[in-house]
Amino acid sequence: AQRVTQPEKLLSVFKGAPVELKCNYSYSGSPELFWYVQYSRQRLQLLLRHISRESIKGFTADLNKGETSFHLKKPFAQEEDSAMYYCALSDYNTDKLIFGTGTRLQVFP
Amino acid sequence: EAQVTQNPRYLITVTGKKLTVTCSQNMNHEYMSWYRQDPGLGLRQIYYSMNVEVTDKGDVPEGYKVSRKEKRNFPLILESPSPNQTSLYFCASSSDRGVPEAFFGQGTRLTVV
Repeated sequence: AQRVTQPEKLLSVFKGAPVELKCNYSYSGSPELFWYVQYSRQRLQLLLRHISRESIKGFTADLNKGETSFHLKKPFAQEEDSAMYYCALSDYNTDKLIFGTGTRLQVFP
Repeated sequence: EAQVTQNPRYLITVTGKKLTVTCSQNMNHEYMSWYRQDPGLGLRQIYYSMNVEVTDKGDVPEGYKVSRKEKRNFPLILESPSPNQTSLYFCASSSDRGVPEAFFGQGTRLTVV
C-alpha cells in the first residue's frame, strides 16, 4: 500500500544547528515526492518537489530510492523555520496526494 | 492574486445541523480536493474532483458530500454533522492531473458540539 511515514512528531533544535526531517515512503512505481510547510496560522505551502532538485529557503531534499527516503535537510536552522512540515507522495494510479503525519520543527534562539 | 478561498474560517455548529463550507479558486484549475487535518493523523483526503461534474472519494469520505458544478467552486457539505467531524479542513487546487496541489486555502476550523 502507498504510504508516507514521518517518524518524528516533534524536532527541536537551536538556531544554527543542522536539521534533518525524516520521510520514508512505500510506493510501487516511480514516486513523485514533495515537502509542504505550514507556518503558524497559515495555509500549507509547497516547499519543494524532488523533480526540481532545487533549494528553497536553504532546504534541500534528495530522493533515495534504495532507502525509499526523502529527508528534508538544512545545514543551519533559523527561528523562522519553525513550522509544521509534511512529506507527501503523488500516487498517479489514484490521482491522490498522500501525506505523512507531519513533523513539527521548533527552532530555539 | 492567485488564491484558494474558503468560507467560513471558523464555524461552531450542533450535531445534525446541515452545513456547507465553500471553496473557490481563481486559477482555472481542473483539480480540486478537500482534506481534514487532525493531530497525529496529518492530512487525509476527503473528496477530490478532476473537473466539472467529476468527483471521487478520498480516504475518509464518510459523512461528507461534494459537488463540482462550476470549475472554480468545490463546496464541502456535511448533511448531518457529528462531533467526530470536528477538525481543520483545507481545500486545495492544482492545474495538472496527478500533480499535487500547489495551492491550499486558509483552512476552516469546524467544531461540532
